[in-house]
Amino acid sequence: SQKIEQNSEALNIQEGKTATLTCNYTNYSPAYLQWYRQDPGRGPVFLLLIRENEKEKRKERLKVTFDTTLKQSLFHITASQPADSATYLCALSTGGFKTIFGAGTRLFVKA
Amino acid sequence: GAVVSQHPSWVICKSGTSVKIECRSLDFQATTMFWYRQFPKQSLMLMATSNEGSKATYEQGVEKDKFLINHASLTLSTLTVTSAHPEDSSFYICSARATGLNNEQFFGPGTRLTVL
Repeated sequence: SQKIEQNSEALNIQEGKTATLTCNYTNYSPAYLQWYRQDPGRGPVFLLLIRENEKEKRKERLKVTFDTTLKQSLFHITASQPADSATYLCALSTGGFKTIFGAGTRLFVKA
Repeated sequence: GAVVSQHPSWVICKSGTSVKIECRSLDFQATTMFWYRQFPKQSLMLMATSNEGSKATYEQGVEKDKFLINHASLTLSTLTVTSAHPEDSSFYICSARATGLNNEQFFGPGTRLTVL
């Protein structure tokens, strides 16, 4: 069956460090992969999209990698800040209109 | 970026009543809108995909007669939870896909439904 797994339910790191979140998938051939941020009681906010033929994408302190051989995406936040504390969702799209979400990883950045 | 609104942001209703949730794209036309449900500490589960002017496509296990979706215009989709029961209590989120924007979805702020 198709499955998306995000590494851990919660990740605690110290301010200033790099946070690395993992998204693994099975039985998908995604055309592209997206990362979203979700704060409690709010809808997801789009962060980055990376296509199957792209290895890496950057946006300010954010970096996403996409390895279709390993079926894995890594999401990095460099110089993390307490304001980065949120749940981060990985989402796959196969090229149609449907997007499937992982369960998310809650990130806590301590000051 | 494109903005999607939802109304109401929260609603409390009695068991057996129907509740309508609106999803609007404020500054773009959305040919496709999606409705998700999210339980605490769980991911977004796609309920249905609605295309303007046609019937919604429901995911497996979602009752179409219970969750009525109408996408009457390019900027408005509605979800009506009919004869709501406590197990329908959840966070309902819509998203809209803008034409020509690489399938990027813009999400609404969500609606918290509590059925007593």
